[in-house]
Amino acid sequence: GNSVTQMEGPVTLSEEAFLTINCTYTATGYPSLFWYVQYPGEGLQLLLKATKADDKGSNKGFEATYRKETTSFHLEKGSVQVSDSAVYFCALSPNAGGTSYGKLTFGQGTILTVHP
Amino acid sequence: GAGVSQSPSNKVTEKGKDVELRCDPISGHTALYWYRQSLGQGLEFLIYFQGNSAPDKSGLPSDRFSAERTGGSVSTLTIQRTQQEDSAVYLCASSSPGHSYEQYFGPGTRLTVT
Repeated sequence: GNSVTQMEGPVTLSEEAFLTINCTYTATGYPSLFWYVQYPGEGLQLLLKATKADDKGSNKGFEATYRKETTSFHLEKGSVQVSDSAVYFCALSPNAGGTSYGKLTFGQGTILTVHP
Repeated sequence: GAGVSQSPSNKVTEKGKDVELRCDPISGHTALYWYRQSLGQGLEFLIYFQGNSAPDKSGLPSDRFSAERTGGSVSTLTIQRTQQEDSAVYLCASSSPGHSYEQYFGPGTRLTVT
């Protein structure tokens, strides 16, 4: 079946540091890949997505590139801010032809804390 | 516009009781999903409704769990004879036609079974 593995957290950084959160996946076919973010006291929000190999998703300074050869979708940001402190989830959804279309499989989440 | 709403936000119940959790999706969204977020299991898919098609119930953990969606809009997740391991945050999400990849999540219902 499908699975997503994220780097273990928690991750603690100083403001303006470089961020990488690793994500690898196992899936049949060509899934779509996502990063969701959960800020303290808020619901899950879609941060960025990529629907095919070599696509780069980007939003709010975060980027992730869909690497089919390494089955990875690592999240990066060049300079983190205190306001980026949150839990980050990598997720996949099977492609449109699959019967489980739209159903998300999540990684375990990575807690990021950014200090001033 | 209004996002996905869920009620109640918190529910404490005694073991063995039945509970109902409600989800109001974004207007016009045809797909609706239920997930569960717990410390031990992370985020797990439960059930998925798409339009008038039969729901995908493959994630429901036992026959004590059921869900329905009335009129293609509001959904209710019912847990019968609750157990302590059912304690979790239950999340609902919806997506628009042709954009099932982009799911919008509600704030969740925190269920505590004592």
